[in-house]
Amino acid sequence: GAVVSQHPSRVICKSGTSVKIECRSLDFQATTMFWYRQFPKQSLMLMATSNEGSKATYEQGVEKDKFLINHASLTLSTLTVTSAHPEDSSFYICSATPPTRVTGEEFGPGTRLLVL
Amino acid sequence: AQSVTQLDSQVPVFEEAPVELRCNYSSSVSVYLFWYVQYPNQGLQLLLKYLSGSTLVKGINGFEAEFNKSQTSFHLRKPSVHISDTAEYFCAVSEGGAQKLVFGQGTRLTINP
Repeated sequence: GAVVSQHPSRVICKSGTSVKIECRSLDFQATTMFWYRQFPKQSLMLMATSNEGSKATYEQGVEKDKFLINHASLTLSTLTVTSAHPEDSSFYICSATPPTRVTGEEFGPGTRLLVL
Repeated sequence: AQSVTQLDSQVPVFEEAPVELRCNYSSSVSVYLFWYVQYPNQGLQLLLKYLSGSTLVKGINGFEAEFNKSQTSFHLRKPSVHISDTAEYFCAVSEGGAQKLVFGQGTRLTINP
């Protein structure tokens, strides 16, 4: 149990286009999901906290107009990278905490974004 | 604000040798502590976590970690490593009651035959 999926696993796009990444909790409902970004050979940095039915909470330095987050249901959060540029190329990972746990997240498999 | 420091960016070890990956944290409140493993081009897998109780925590794949409050450390250990343990290891902390994690910089564990 407690599985989190992401789609797509890998995406290549042209500079200036928008890319949507989906994060789904497959066997539990998650009122809160988290989006992380990981540059090559670096650690994970929290981008934003996605809250079901309300606005996402963004970390300092993350542009909310560039990284649009929608958490429309208890099992799905989407991250849209708008007008992507090569510097947005990264590994994006989502996570969620099953309601039966105090804390400790289940991570999705990640989405590798390459912007040409 | 909480922070996590992994003192070693890379740790090379021979197969079947013991290993310790170091993690120190700073926080003004009680914390939960985690170790995750990441294989190339994959997400994170939880190895073990400390929430409360016994300071020695046993996890998957033969790993264990010890919470030391006075030294604000949570070092990860394995008595005998295998080639398949080659991966990136991340220590993370969340302040009690909060769900979001703060990660250390990661330690690349390389097992040599």
